[in-house]
Amino acid sequence: EAEVAQSPRYKITEKSQAVAFWCDPISGHATLYWYRQILGQGPELLVQFQDESVVDDSQLPKDRFSAERLKGVDSTLKIQPAELGDSAMYLCASNTPGRNNEQFFGPGTRLTVL
Amino acid sequence: ELKVEQNPLFLSMQEGKNYTIYCNYSTTSDRLYWYRQDPGKSLESLFVLLSNGAVKQEGRLMASLDTKARLSTLHITAAVHDLSATYFCAVDMDSGYALNFGKGTSLLVTP
Repeated sequence: EAEVAQSPRYKITEKSQAVAFWCDPISGHATLYWYRQILGQGPELLVQFQDESVVDDSQLPKDRFSAERLKGVDSTLKIQPAELGDSAMYLCASNTPGRNNEQFFGPGTRLTVL
Repeated sequence: ELKVEQNPLFLSMQEGKNYTIYCNYSTTSDRLYWYRQDPGKSLESLFVLLSNGAVKQEGRLMASLDTKARLSTLHITAAVHDLSATYFCAVDMDSGYALNFGKGTSLLVTP
């Protein structure tokens, strides 16, 4: 069964360090989303790609976060420098938009910033 | 701004009992999604509701959508411990847009 892959699953870092997360969407899915989920809250969109283009990054803290999807397949989300408030679960999701906009989520990366 | 509100946020119920989780949203969207999340895990899609009056059932869970009232319900019948999890509803502005999630309902089913 096709799944969204993410790595690493867990990351512990110290504040001011750089971290990077990787996502490989389900094969053939043109749209890729990065969400951040703070403990006890619902996921919130950070950035959305359609193929290799950014569709929505209005909620991405661009002073420290960057995201790319160079070949329109896998994607990397980077934080530099990490801050204590960045501790959260980072979820990647993908789909092929249509009438049904159901999104399929990867296992997530749990980030802890010390 | 699209708002999605769930209630209750916390629910403790006994095995065998019935209960309903409510999801209200502020947009005119006619699509709504329910997801389940186990502690420390990712989100698992439960139901996709794509029209007014849509009803879907899977096991002890049944979801419905009333687009005129901007309300979806997730009904739990004869709860069992395995249903303990956090349930999220989500709405999109249109196809191809990101999902806007509620805060989730944390469900605990006790003996």
